[in-house]
Amino acid sequence: DAKTTQPPSMDCAEGRAANLPCNHSTISGNEYVYWYRQIHSQGPQYIIHGLKNNETNEMASLIITEDRKSSTLILPHATLRDTAVYYCIVSLLSNFGNEKLTFGTGTRLTIIP
Amino acid sequence: DGGITQSPKYLFRKEGQNVTLSCEQNLNHDAMYWYRQDPGQGLRLIYYSQIVNDFQKGDIAEGYSVSREKKESFPLTVTSAQKNPTAFYLCASSIAAGMNTEAFFGQGTRLTVV
Repeated sequence: DAKTTQPPSMDCAEGRAANLPCNHSTISGNEYVYWYRQIHSQGPQYIIHGLKNNETNEMASLIITEDRKSSTLILPHATLRDTAVYYCIVSLLSNFGNEKLTFGTGTRLTIIP
Repeated sequence: DGGITQSPKYLFRKEGQNVTLSCEQNLNHDAMYWYRQDPGQGLRLIYYSQIVNDFQKGDIAEGYSVSREKKESFPLTVTSAQKNPTAFYLCASSIAAGMNTEAFFGQGTRLTVV
């Protein structure tokens, strides 16, 4: 699986958009980009994933660059409950038996009131 | 309700004892995973299973064992060979590989070895 690089921490004001970057310069053509978040002492929660097109759901938007070497998770209107560690992961899904999610250390996002 | 359940939430054991952590899912998922998390660290993959009666080592399998006799169950045994077993253990499941989907996580078991 391709490795990812994320800033260790970020702050964002409540009500503003939180933009979390992720570099995955060694990503291969059939690897997906996933984002999860983990609130303290709980299991991680799925947010969104994509291959090469931008994606949006009720939680967030995912912007993937054209060369797929980086992506940005956008939380459009951050609330205090969005304070968590956010993990960017790339995962190969197409090869049965090799699919696994490898988590790095993530970005600790703190929403400031 | 469908979901993935880990039990117990907190577990204490004496050094040198084996201990088994439970993970059950009723989501009809083929794939299941065990991760370990240490304070301030990300998740590290211990074992994963893509189908019943089959499992693969992850990045830190030494000192751990698993079984997958039933689709809904993937217990993890922390053996006495694991040198530093105190950690937060997370189980996850997902629909079989090859499908574009998410993983669901349990709430974790915090193991303390004294």
